[in-house]
Amino acid sequence: AQTVTQSQPEMSVQEAETVTLSCTYDTSENNYYLFWYKQPPSRQMILVIRQEAYKQQNATENRFSVNFQKAAKSFSLKISDSQLGDTAMYFCALQIPNTNAGKSTFGDGTTLTVKP
Amino acid sequence: GAGVSQSPRYKVAKRGQDVALRCDPISGHVSLFWYQQALGQGPEFLTYFQNEAQLDKSGLPSDRFFAERPEGSVSTLKIQRTQQEDSAVYLCASSLGTLGPYGYTFGSGTRLTVV
Repeated sequence: AQTVTQSQPEMSVQEAETVTLSCTYDTSENNYYLFWYKQPPSRQMILVIRQEAYKQQNATENRFSVNFQKAAKSFSLKISDSQLGDTAMYFCALQIPNTNAGKSTFGDGTTLTVKP
Repeated sequence: GAGVSQSPRYKVAKRGQDVALRCDPISGHVSLFWYQQALGQGPEFLTYFQNEAQLDKSGLPSDRFFAERPEGSVSTLKIQRTQQEDSAVYLCASSLGTLGPYGYTFGSGTRLTVV
């Protein structure tokens, strides 16, 4: 079974500053995918960034980057130059590639507030 | 379509009533997932379809929950004899597949309130 833990229920950051959201996970599989999703208030969840476990290079998407530490089973999200529109709940998710399953396991989320 | 469409957006049901929630995924997405999200929590897996085949229904909480995707496109999640504990947001997500890092495209969800 897979588990995903986000230990920071709430965080805040000043506009234009940098913030890091933590995520740890547990799986016995060697091949898997990790994702960060963003869920703005009353809006739908969208994919922010993805990481393949067999890739050592950390993924980046514009102001979003990850610090993937496979041995430590850690997958943190760094948001640079925070903007008011980054205010949302952020979910870390783990997926094991499998034709017959392939569901994602989600953490309980971190609510991020960007302050002007 | 351009995105995943869910209807209705909000549903209020009296306890004991049957409800049906609809999901229209992105055209060409073979994988379709249903998740249940309680307030302030992460989504919890309910069931998974690959095309029209329901390959995993291990997350359905009881036999009152039933899902189908008869033609491999639109899916319906049905809840019979609704109970108060069924109150939640029901999310539908579709994906190109489960063998690559495609991630999900989510719908806006259906907020079910059982009174």
